[in-house]
Amino acid sequence: AQSVTQPDIHITVSEGASLELRCNYSYGATPYLFWYVQSPGQGLQLLLKYFSGDTLVQGIKGFEAEFKRSQSSFNLRKPSVHWSDAAEYFCAVGPRAGGTSYGKLTFGQGTILTVHP
Amino acid sequence: EAQVTQNPRYLITVTGKKLTVTCSQNMNHEYMSWYRQDPGLGLRQIYYSMNVEVTDKGDVPEGYKVSRKEKRNFPLILESPSPNQTSLYFCASSLGGRGRETQYFGPGTRLLVL
Repeated sequence: AQSVTQPDIHITVSEGASLELRCNYSYGATPYLFWYVQSPGQGLQLLLKYFSGDTLVQGIKGFEAEFKRSQSSFNLRKPSVHWSDAAEYFCAVGPRAGGTSYGKLTFGQGTILTVHP
Repeated sequence: EAQVTQNPRYLITVTGKKLTVTCSQNMNHEYMSWYRQDPGLGLRQIYYSMNVEVTDKGDVPEGYKVSRKEKRNFPLILESPSPNQTSLYFCASSLGGRGRETQYFGPGTRLLVL
């Protein structure tokens, strides 16, 4: 069965520092890959997604993610964190083909990001 | 404005009292889905729908029902809620369900079952 692991439950960084959130997946084949952000009391917003091609993907709010097939990873990065980035971040995978997994996103457990001034 | 709406946003109920959480999207999306979010577990899919009158179970369907009579609406029904259904619920929609389409999420419904 497919699974997504975000090893870090909670990360704290200082404003202006760089950030990397880890995501590893277990899947039968390379899935579609997503990062979502959930601000307190809000729904989920898509940050970026990877389908194919360039393995370094640019997203909104200055975020980027790199797909590494050999490591089954899709880590999220930002060179300089802003206080407004404090939120919970979810990595998710989706199937490339239909069948019983049609449209289903499998989410990781989430990483809570705290930003210190 | 393109959006997914859910009602109510907050709900407190008692065990066994039937309730419905509504979900509506104005983007003419074919695919709609319900997730529940629990601490440490991320989001888990409850049910999904590929189009009108086409629904199927997700990972955690027990205790829930859904219907899709209109393209824009996808209500989640708890016939006899229990305390283990206390959770944060999200509805999502996308143009299709082939995996690559972006899913748009509603603001969430926080449910407490006493």
